[in-house]
Amino acid sequence: DAGVTQSPTHLIKTRGQQVTLRCSPKSGHDTVSWYQQALGQGPQFIFQYYEEEERQRGNFPDRFSGHQFPNYSSELNVNALLLGDSALYLCASSLGRAANQPQHFGDGTRLSIL
Amino acid sequence: GQQLNQSPQSMFIQEGEDVSMNCTSSSIFNTWLWYKQDPGEGPVLLIALYKAGELTSNGRLTAQFGITRKDSFLNISASIPSDVGIYFCAGLYTGNQFYFGTGTSLTVIP
Repeated sequence: DAGVTQSPTHLIKTRGQQVTLRCSPKSGHDTVSWYQQALGQGPQFIFQYYEEEERQRGNFPDRFSGHQFPNYSSELNVNALLLGDSALYLCASSLGRAANQPQHFGDGTRLSIL
Repeated sequence: GQQLNQSPQSMFIQEGEDVSMNCTSSSIFNTWLWYKQDPGEGPVLLIALYKAGELTSNGRLTAQFGITRKDSFLNISASIPSDVGIYFCAGLYTGNQFYFGTGTSLTVIP
């Protein structure tokens, strides 16, 4: 039973560049949520995708965008990178339409901005 | 956004001791989740709670959904070295967004 997988594991970019992070949900899951976790803090919700549409968005600027594919995998795109975007980006998957379904996390992508 | 405050912020305990931590908010939450995160890894789900007053166990871990729906508690009995890590609570307020707490760092001294 494959868990949530994310790629790449680490990434180094410079200010102003763009980045794409990828996530494959846990087998059988159809909902994907993305989180940003700064060092020493809890994860912060970026957005959630269900049925290939953004279902809910947290307090993040439009530089953060995403996509969900028909196979339920997802991408997170960040444009015009800032130093403050350096963080661990976590993908979580869950099953179905109900909001209270437990979310299962991948090990994240560590993004460093120079 | 909603604030979830976890206490204590950090704990240093002897192996074999019991551990208690909590998560509080000024708002009412509908679902509580507890996670453990090890360095370099993603959070791992420990327990999910769905009703006020609910008490759920997972091995040596027991969690409760507070009666007021504004808090939740996690207890670990007979701690072992592999319990070391950061414990996060997460609450579902409205919509589809889970809010995460500030975390409790647990160190177990052998």
